[in-house]
Amino acid sequence: EAGVAQSPRYKIIEKRQSVAFWCNPISGHATLYWYQQILGQGPKLLIQFQNNGVVDDSQLPKDRFSAERLKGVDSTLKIQPAKLEDSAVYLCASRNRDNEQFFGPGTRLTVL
Amino acid sequence: GENVEQHPSTLSVQEGDSAVIKCTYSDSASNYFPWYKQELGKRPQLIIDIRSNVGEKKDQRIAVTLNKTAKHFSLHITETQPEDSAVYFCAPGYTGFQKLVFGTGTRLLVSP
Repeated sequence: EAGVAQSPRYKIIEKRQSVAFWCNPISGHATLYWYQQILGQGPKLLIQFQNNGVVDDSQLPKDRFSAERLKGVDSTLKIQPAKLEDSAVYLCASRNRDNEQFFGPGTRLTVL
Repeated sequence: GENVEQHPSTLSVQEGDSAVIKCTYSDSASNYFPWYKQELGKRPQLIIDIRSNVGEKKDQRIAVTLNKTAKHFSLHITETQPEDSAVYFCAPGYTGFQKLVFGTGTRLLVSP
């Protein structure tokens, strides 16, 4: 069974630029999550999708972050414009029916 | 929101010793209690989980114990090996909202 796929693996941008991350969950997993993990901290949930609907985006900074999962499979997370404090690893995860979450390799974002 | 704390924040042991990490949570509705292991530069990986109708679960050298009354659960690693060195996160949640809240993390260092 293929795992959660993410791209790109690394991204370096300057502040005020835009960036987008892509995630493809494990086949058949209806629930998809985007997390932000700042160095030295635990993952923080940004947004949760159930199929193509948003379940929880209470911690998503909506003035600059957006996410979509139009067809209920893969998803994109966008930051526009980026700030220095957005430097982090962005992790995508999907969940099986036993409530187990499986993470992708993450995208390491550096904002200069 | 859910408040999740882990203790200790850092744990150093000698190879072959046992290690115990405790996770305290605040939301009494939590009914799913996983532990994740994250090696440096890698994704978090689920290593063991327990549900609220069970008090203890064991898988080879690792075990998790749950005290729902006191709202804490613990990860136990016996016969530690250098490859157990990593950051460990607890992430209590509840299956209703399928959401996990990650703890602050415990860095385990196992010295040969």
